[in-house]
Amino acid sequence: EPEVTQTPSHQVTQMGQEVILRCVPISNHLYFYWYRQILGQKVEFLVSFYNNEISEKSEIFDDQFSVERPDGSNFTLKIRSTKLEDSAMYFCASRGFEKLFFGSGTQLSVL
Amino acid sequence: ELKVEQNPLFLSMQEGKNYTIYCNYSTTSDRLYWYRQDPGKSLESLFVLLSNGAVKQEGRLMASLDTKARLSTLHITAAVHDLSATYFCAVSRGGSEKLVFGKGTKLTVNP
Repeated sequence: EPEVTQTPSHQVTQMGQEVILRCVPISNHLYFYWYRQILGQKVEFLVSFYNNEISEKSEIFDDQFSVERPDGSNFTLKIRSTKLEDSAMYFCASRGFEKLFFGSGTQLSVL
Repeated sequence: ELKVEQNPLFLSMQEGKNYTIYCNYSTTSDRLYWYRQDPGKSLESLFVLLSNGAVKQEGRLMASLDTKARLSTLHITAAVHDLSATYFCAVSRGGSEKLVFGKGTKLTVNP
């Protein structure tokens, strides 16, 4: 079965530093997403992306966050100046028609 | 605001027994998903339910949707240890790409 791939699997950074999380969605999918999950809590929506622009974003997705699809395959999430509370597992997802497939996640630790 | 409630949040059951996990949501939706998550892992898609009365089955798991009651159930038949995981339901509202997740049901199947 096709899969969404994410890199890196773990990222440790200092507070205030910029991080870029990378994702390669499934190739024929058109809708892309970022979600996050703080340890032991529920999964939260961050942003959806369609036709090369943000289609929807949550209150969490403030000016410190941005997304980009720099080429035909990659989809990135940038956090400009990380805070301690940004520590979480970040999941990329993509959707074709019905099913939404999640990547294996990037565990971000902000120290 | 769309809210999703799952119950129970914790479920411990014996192998061979049957049980049902419930997912209630607060407004009309166009898609309902069930996901499985093993500790430290990504979200594995189990089912997507699109219409009232939809029923899907895979192995020992069966999911159903009642849009009038705003209720989905995930029924486990003759549980086995390998089904131990956290199960999430997630709902999207018509016109929105955002999936709202329940808090998850942590299922433990004891031998």
